[in-house]
Order: sequence, then structure tokens, then C-alpha cells
Amino acid sequence: KAGVTQTPRYLIKTRGQQVTLSCSPISGHRSVSWYQQTPGQGLQFLFEYFSETQRNKGNFPGRFSGRQFSNSRSEMNVSTLELGDSALYLCASSLAGTGGFVTGELFFGEGSRLTVL
Amino acid sequence: TQLLEQSPQFLSIQEGENLTVYCNSSSVFSSLQWYRQEPGEGPVLLVTVVTGGEVKKLKRLTFQFGDARKDSSLHITAAQPGDTGLYLCAGNNNDMRFGAGTRLTVKP
Repeated sequence: KAGVTQTPRYLIKTRGQQVTLSCSPISGHRSVSWYQQTPGQGLQFLFEYFSETQRNKGNFPGRFSGRQFSNSRSEMNVSTLELGDSALYLCASSLAGTGGFVTGELFFGEGSRLTVL
Repeated sequence: TQLLEQSPQFLSIQEGENLTVYCNSSSVFSSLQWYRQEPGEGPVLLVTVVTGGEVKKLKRLTFQFGDARKDSSLHITAAQPGDTGLYLCAGNNNDMRFGAGTRLTVKP
């Protein structure tokens, strides 16, 4: 069974530009979560989508947005890039999402490494 | 401020040694998970613990969930170079929040 696919794997942008990252979850998974990973902060929760609806949102500015399509594929967008946005952006899919009493397994992609110059 | 504090941040040991890493929080979690991440890859689930006081064993790895469901520990017996990686704990409290991780290096 195919895993979680994230594209692009690497990208370089300059300050002020915007970027769109894509995530294709495992077939049948309806939940997609996004995380930002940096060496000092670890994995920071961005948002979770379930059946095209944003279910939870982390503590990030409005420059960070996302959406989910009817086929469960998800995109996240970062506008007006800042140097501090340089990070590995990880997407994780799961069957039922994280809102239940017991979270099922999160399956992560390999990430999109964004460098902002 | 991290919701989940992991310690130590870095750990370098020789093959065959034992080690324990910790995951602490002031919040109560309905469940807690441990993941391992290797360079260039996403985290992979090791275990989910649900009940306060629960102990789970996975070969040489022993996971414990605190009685109050606020903390957890991971103990590795006779560490091997293949155990090298970033160990992350994640607590479920309406969404999954991760700690910053413990980066373990096991030298042959």
C-alpha cells in the first residue's frame, strides 16, 4: 500500500514569496495533519483536516493556511515568507484523525524541506 | 514553550548500554505515543499507551505511561547502533502535540 507522498521534497524561496506544499495521504485515510519541524522546536502542530474541514489549528500566524480536497489530498500555503519559516514541513495521515479518545497511528511522509533566503 | 518536555535532548552512548528517556507535561493526555525518526524520513510509530501506569514492551524497548497520564518514559536495554535516531513523544489532547525529541546516538 502506497505511503504518504509529499511534494516537492526540497525547495528554496526568497523572503516575501509564497509557497504551496502538497500531501497525498494513504488511500482511505480521511485525516491529514501538518507539522513544522525545526531543530530547536521539534514538531509544531499547524492544522488538521478531516473530510475537507479544518478540525484543529495550532498557534501559527494567518500566513499559514491549508485546505483539503474531496479525494483527501491536502495542500498548505505559506504567504509572505520569512527567514524563520525555513523548516521541514511534515504531513501525516490517519484513518480517524486525532480528535478521539485514543489516537490511531499517524503515518508521516518524508517531508518538504523549505529554505527561505 | 513546549507542551511536552523531553529529556535529555541529546544522548550518546556505547553499544550494549542501557538508557532511559523521559517525556513530561503538566497536561493530562488521553493517550500518548512514541515515534522514532531517522534522517531524511518522517517519524514512525513505536507504541501507543492509553491507561495510567501502563507498561508496554517491544523487544528491548519498554514504555511506561505515568499513573496521572501526564508523563512517560522509554527504556532501551542493550542499545544497538540501529537504535540511533530521534525519539519523539506525542500526547493526545484533542490533537496530537509533539515534544522536541531526544536525539540518540549509539556508537558501535
